[in-house]
Amino acid sequence: KQEVTQIPAALSVPEGENLVLNCSFTDSAIYNLQWFRQDPGKGLTSLLLIQSSQREQTSGRLNASLDKSSGRSTLYIAASQPGDSATYLCAVYTGGFKTIFGAGTRLFVKA
Amino acid sequence: NAGVTQTPKFQVLKTGQSMTLQCAQDMNHNSMYWYRQDPGMGLRLIYYSASEGTTDKGEVPNGYNVSRLNKREFSLRLESAAPSQTSVYFCASGPGGPSQFFGPGTRLTVL
Repeated sequence: KQEVTQIPAALSVPEGENLVLNCSFTDSAIYNLQWFRQDPGKGLTSLLLIQSSQREQTSGRLNASLDKSSGRSTLYIAASQPGDSATYLCAVYTGGFKTIFGAGTRLFVKA
Repeated sequence: NAGVTQTPKFQVLKTGQSMTLQCAQDMNHNSMYWYRQDPGMGLRLIYYSASEGTTDKGEVPNGYNVSRLNKREFSLRLESAAPSQTSVYFCASGPGGPSQFFGPGTRLTVL
């Protein structure tokens, strides 16, 4: 059974710091992996989607990497800002209607 | 475009009461989903609808029923609420595959 784990569960950093969020999954048979952002009281917004054949994707200050063979992905946030404070979730798509979500990392960026 | 809307935003029920959570999307998506999100856990799929007129069980369907009323609307019903159903419920829609757009959620408390 596919399981997705995110470490750490919570993270607090000063503004301007570069940071890495981690995601691991137990079964490498995935089609792709997504990183989502969730703001308090709001739904999820997709940030980056990496296909299983890709190694990384970039969007602005965000860079996501994927190592399918080892079951790991990282989300790198450069020059963090208070507006980056949110919960970040990773999710793997295993086909059909199955998307398995991690529990998320709650990020707080201090001004 | 409103995207995915959910009503109500908050609800408190007593054990044994019933209620229906409403979801509507205006993106002409075929697929719609209901998830629940509990502290320390990833989103878990309750039911999904691949297209108008079809519904299927997800990972945690017990205690819930759904109706795909038309292409736009997908409702989730709790027939006899239990404290274990206290959660945040998210509706999502998508064209199929990993792409999903989420509503803002309904926070449900069952006393």
